[in-house]
Amino acid sequence: QQPVQSPQAVILREGEDAVINCSSSKALYSVHWYRQKHGEAPVFLMILLKGGEQKGHDKISASFNEKKQQSSLYLTASQLSYSGTYFCGTEYYGDYKLSFGAGTTVTVRA
Amino acid sequence: GAGVSQSPSNKVTEKGKDVELRCDPISGHTALYWYRQRLGQGLEFLIYFQGNSAPDKSGLPSDRFSAERTGESVSTLTIQRTQQEDSAVYLCASSLIGYNEQFFGPGTRLTVL
Repeated sequence: QQPVQSPQAVILREGEDAVINCSSSKALYSVHWYRQKHGEAPVFLMILLKGGEQKGHDKISASFNEKKQQSSLYLTASQLSYSGTYFCGTEYYGDYKLSFGAGTTVTVRA
Repeated sequence: GAGVSQSPSNKVTEKGKDVELRCDPISGHTALYWYRQRLGQGLEFLIYFQGNSAPDKSGLPSDRFSAERTGESVSTLTIQRTQQEDSAVYLCASSLIGYNEQFFGPGTRLTVL
């Protein structure tokens, strides 16, 4: 039940916005978002537990559409430090493990 | 205290040998996870420990893989008779309890020749 992430990659100029989507075919309990920079461990960004709830981390926010079983991550006014691979991890009811998507590689250029 | 630590950071072994990877979670974290990440790929769940409950081993790819955890502390992941397809970065993560944010260690890069 690996979630599907899109797009696979995105290239931005500083200040531009981007949206990364994460879709599941199974009912979700929560969605986690992590960012991994090259050669480093993934770092937690946020968890979304309820449908429609939006959370934020700096200028990075996310929403969770329970009806569509989908979460979207919004990168607003991107900075060079936003470059990395973004993974969504999905949790299902009664199941404490995360299933991670294949990742979306974000490159922010000056 | 300190974050999640893993050792060794790099391991090169010959096909057919056994390897043991170690993870020290953050003190007080009852949940511990092992993941495998092949080059350029996503994170593949291997096993999950929660307190004294029976571990969730549903992600272990074969019976050559096993893991143990002593109480709520150190965990070891053992791969027997290593194969070249076992080459990957093995990441350990811990969290306060299940469903919480996971803190990842730096990983062990395993290369099987």
